[in-house]
Amino acid sequence: DTGVSQDPRHKITKRGQNVTFRCDPISEHNRLYWYRQTLGQGPEFLTYFQNEAQLEKSRLLSDRFSAERPKGSFSTLEIQRTEQGDSAMYLCASSSLGGLTEAFFGQGTRLTVV
Amino acid sequence: TQLLEQSPQFLSIQEGENLTVYCNSSSVFSSLQWYRQEPGEGPVLLVTVVTGGEVKKLKRLTFQFGDARKDSSLHITAAQPGDTGLYLCAGNAGKSTFGDGTTLTVKP
Repeated sequence: DTGVSQDPRHKITKRGQNVTFRCDPISEHNRLYWYRQTLGQGPEFLTYFQNEAQLEKSRLLSDRFSAERPKGSFSTLEIQRTEQGDSAMYLCASSSLGGLTEAFFGQGTRLTVV
Repeated sequence: TQLLEQSPQFLSIQEGENLTVYCNSSSVFSSLQWYRQEPGEGPVLLVTVVTGGEVKKLKRLTFQFGDARKDSSLHITAAQPGDTGLYLCAGNAGKSTFGDGTTLTVKP
């Protein structure tokens, strides 16, 4: 295992369509995080899981967004009825439960809503 | 809400120069991370500082955590074009609060 993997790397979709992104964390990491990053800004926290439990959701995460981590391994982030304002880089990170719990990021999924 | 302010927002220097970028907050953090991010890629972790007053060195990069654990600095000695990128600080590991970064350009 070489790190956090995200798929796809790029996604272009029409407004109103649904999209789903996948994240595979570092295998021994219990925690998985989703962030969103727009141009000129740092990543903004969206939600995180500890194993399969979703422990926190940001108020940035509207009801059109849903995330799952059904078996405590990979996670999916779905955006329904996409809007142009959803265009951003979606980043996934994972960390261990103990110690420094520093997060390691994937390469991100760049979403463009046209 | 814990906010991290990074300065300067943009920095453009010549190869070989030294530079320092800053990360400041009014909040106390249990730890602080520095990341470097290239366009179209995810942030890459450079270092984590935990103890107030801590100094860590990573080749030509020196990281310092303030005594009160509210601020940090990153100093780069003899910058190289390969140092070009967005430098982000983040407070509290895991569900982190990020600053908006310093965009560094090192010209050959």
